Amino acid sequence: KNEVEQSPQNLTAQEGEFITINCSYSVGISALHWLQQHPGGGIVSLFMLSSGKKKHGRLIATINIQEKHSSLHITASHPRDSAVYICAVSSYNTDKLIFGTGTRLQVFP
Amino acid sequence: NAGVMQNPRHLVRRRGQEARLRCSPMKGHSHVYWYRQLPEEGLKFMVYLQKENIIDESGMPKERFSAEFPKEGPSILRIQQVVRGDSAAYFCASSPGSFRNTEAFFGQGTRLTVV
Repeated sequence: KNEVEQSPQNLTAQEGEFITINCSYSVGISALHWLQQHPGGGIVSLFMLSSGKKKHGRLIATINIQEKHSSLHITASHPRDSAVYICAVSSYNTDKLIFGTGTRLQVFP
Repeated sequence: NAGVMQNPRHLVRRRGQEARLRCSPMKGHSHVYWYRQLPEEGLKFMVYLQKENIIDESGMPKERFSAEFPKEGPSILRIQQVVRGDSAAYFCASSPGSFRNTEAFFGQGTRLTVV
């Protein structure tokens, strides 16, 4: 079993829909990162959080430390949101990030 | 402030050749991480370096792969005698400190194709 699990693996949506991507982890963490990767492109950091909730534009990230679970929400989705969204954690006792396998999102007009 | 710069963006090598991938961290960042992304797979940690020091190389294959981050200049990931299985996207990330408490800044990646 992977230390970081994401669901769903693939997600399609119509423009305007509210989207939720989930991430569960099994290790003790110091921080959780949400990243975005466009096809053939680089990786962009969206959020880093260790508690509570953060919002940036149409993106919202939440984390529940007790349940070892985080969600990334996209409100009023748009085709340009189509990308792979990756959850990664930095654990207490290591400096390296542990990645989930990503959620591939496609938003259709 | 330029972001993390990786070059080349695309690299084609014949089997048996050497591949050199370069990563210039963001200004002020002294921590560099290399990750590999195989086709249709997630990112996997390779090596973590600070200036002139390898901190953690537990993700590096034992043979043919090496990394350095000299006092001056970019970090280099070197793959000797490349094989088809080395074809992947290699990403570099930098930070001012450990990822335990700082945001990760990634480069655009180098896509290595071994023919």
